[in-house]
Amino acid sequence: SQQGEEDPQALSIQEGENATMNCSYKTSINNLQWYRQNSGRGLVHLILIRSNEREKHSGRLRVTLDTSKKSSSLLITASRAADTASYFCATDGDGSSNTGKLIFGQGTTLQVKP
Amino acid sequence: NAGVTQTPKFQVLKTGQSMTLQCAQDMNHNSMYWYRQDPGMGLRLIYYSASEGTTDKGEVPNGYNVSRLNKREFSLRLESAAPSQTSVYFCASSLTGIHPQHFGDGTRLSIL
Repeated sequence: SQQGEEDPQALSIQEGENATMNCSYKTSINNLQWYRQNSGRGLVHLILIRSNEREKHSGRLRVTLDTSKKSSSLLITASRAADTASYFCATDGDGSSNTGKLIFGQGTTLQVKP
Repeated sequence: NAGVTQTPKFQVLKTGQSMTLQCAQDMNHNSMYWYRQDPGMGLRLIYYSASEGTTDKGEVPNGYNVSRLNKREFSLRLESAAPSQTSVYFCASSLTGIHPQHFGDGTRLSIL
């Protein structure tokens, strides 16, 4: 079973606009990660937020985490055509181990039109 | 830097054939993982190896075996391939279990 549910499943925006993707999960966690996957390629790590953090920034990326609601959001500001990809959240499951066993959501497919 | 290298990139098998997917990383990572990704789905963990000499089951281990050959290499074996195992297989590695994972570009496997 998949821990993460992502919303929306697909998102299409114009270059320069902001894109927001949401992720919900079911159990307690140590951290939540976001990954990007370009078509035909492997996943690339974007950002990791720990359970005791509420917000984290990396360049044009902003991630928030609300552990009381078991949800996270990824905001990409001033989007570019190169941001076109699928985005996945991943959690470390029951939060009781550091094995690296990640559970991925189904992903949001983002299309940024030039 | 090569990162995580998977071979082969593509493979077509007949039902019942066996095959080993190879994965190697050059980042001196301790932990390695095998996932499968089906259309429209996120990744599901098949097996992982927290450190050299150890392996453990993930979410969907049935029909697969793994070998952590050394610190660099982690192979995935399908003993008797089934059409349900048609998927894209990704190998990943991380410094430890609490660090971000680095992925290869996948092996696209079709079983007829």
